[in-house]
Amino acid sequence: AQSVTQPDIHITVSEGASLELRCNYSYGATPYLFWYVQSPGQGLQLLLKYFSGDTLVQGIKGFEAEFKRSQSSFNLRKPTVHWSDAAEYFCAVGKIQGAQKLVFGQGTRLTINP
Amino acid sequence: DAGVTQSPTHLIKTRGQQVTLRCSPKSGHDTVSWYQQALGQGPQFIFQYYEEEERQRGNFPDRFSGHQFPNYSSELNVNALLLGDSALYLCASSPGIHSGANVLTFGAGSRLTVL
Repeated sequence: AQSVTQPDIHITVSEGASLELRCNYSYGATPYLFWYVQSPGQGLQLLLKYFSGDTLVQGIKGFEAEFKRSQSSFNLRKPTVHWSDAAEYFCAVGKIQGAQKLVFGQGTRLTINP
Repeated sequence: DAGVTQSPTHLIKTRGQQVTLRCSPKSGHDTVSWYQQALGQGPQFIFQYYEEEERQRGNFPDRFSGHQFPNYSSELNVNALLLGDSALYLCASSPGIHSGANVLTFGAGSRLTVL
């Protein structure tokens, strides 16, 4: 069965600092990986996705993520965070391309210190 | 272009009651899925509808049922509500099961509180 682990429930960083959010997945075949962001009272917005090819993927709002098969990881990074990045971040894995059934991690809440 | 719209935004029910939540997919999308997000948790897949049929189902009891209409909109019904059904219910749409690079577009959700 697929599973996603986000080891950090809550992270606090200073504005202007770099950010890395961790995501580990468990899946037997090639996974389809996603990062979503959720602001309070909002639905989920897709930041980026990995289906195949280059293991470093670029997303919106200056985010990027790197797929490392050997470590079963798909960590999200941003070189410089802004106060508006404060939100909940979810990593998700899909079984096949086009699958609706995504398995989500528990989420990481990001707080930005001014 | 409207995205995924859900109604109602918030609602309060009591144990044992029934609830219906509604979803209109993004224009051009014909596949709808529903997720339950409990407080402090990630979303959990409930089921998916395509061509008015349930195509996939997650680990949810039969109290959870759905429907998709010819215009691709969808309803989620929950019977015999339990306190544990309190959650944010998210609807997501996509261009279709057979389209490539399938990416879900989520609505803002319906917040259900069961007292």
